[in-house]
Amino acid sequence: GENVEQHPSTLSVQEGDSAVIKCTYSDSASNYFPWYKQELGKRPQLIIDIRSNVGEKKDQRIAVTLNKTAKHFSLHITETQPEDSAVYFCAASINYGQNFVFGPGTRLSVLP
Amino acid sequence: DAGITQSPRYKITETGRQVTLMCHQTWSHSYMFWYRQDLGHGLRLIYYSAAADITDKGEVPDGYVVSRSKTENFPLTLESATRSQTSVYFCASGQGADEQYFGPGTRLTVT
Repeated sequence: GENVEQHPSTLSVQEGDSAVIKCTYSDSASNYFPWYKQELGKRPQLIIDIRSNVGEKKDQRIAVTLNKTAKHFSLHITETQPEDSAVYFCAASINYGQNFVFGPGTRLSVLP
Repeated sequence: DAGITQSPRYKITETGRQVTLMCHQTWSHSYMFWYRQDLGHGLRLIYYSAAADITDKGEVPDGYVVSRSKTENFPLTLESATRSQTSVYFCASGQGADEQYFGPGTRLTVT
């Protein structure tokens, strides 16, 4: 089945700097790649997603890039703010089913 | 997010007991999911349902039972709870191959 790896497991950046989180997946049939943000004690919430027919997607300070050949995708956060501090999860999916698999998460800390 | 609710929010039960976690959504989403979240493992899919009366196993289904007699409800039952099932359980729903909306979670402790 699908396996999703995520790095780094923890990341600390200074406020205003950029943060990059990388994920790799194993199943070349995966075609949907969402990113979720989970604040402490809260539910995961979608922040951005990308489909396999797109190489890059941007939404204000957040962007995701996808390299299907290498089977990896990355989350980029620019001009980080303290409220960006959270755990971020990537996932890979073949339009749902058993292969909707999350990475283990990255704890991002934005230091003031 | 008030459209998907879970109950109870917190539950303590003993080993061997049966416990049911409830999930209710008001969006009429076709798909519903149950995940468990454990430190170091992220979110792991237990079961999912594509429509009423259609369910399928996810990554970690052993020890769990689900049903979906109505579109809006997707209960998860632990038939004989074990300590390894201590976790935070999230229900989610979605209309298709798009965003999954997560419920607030149920923190279950098995003693």
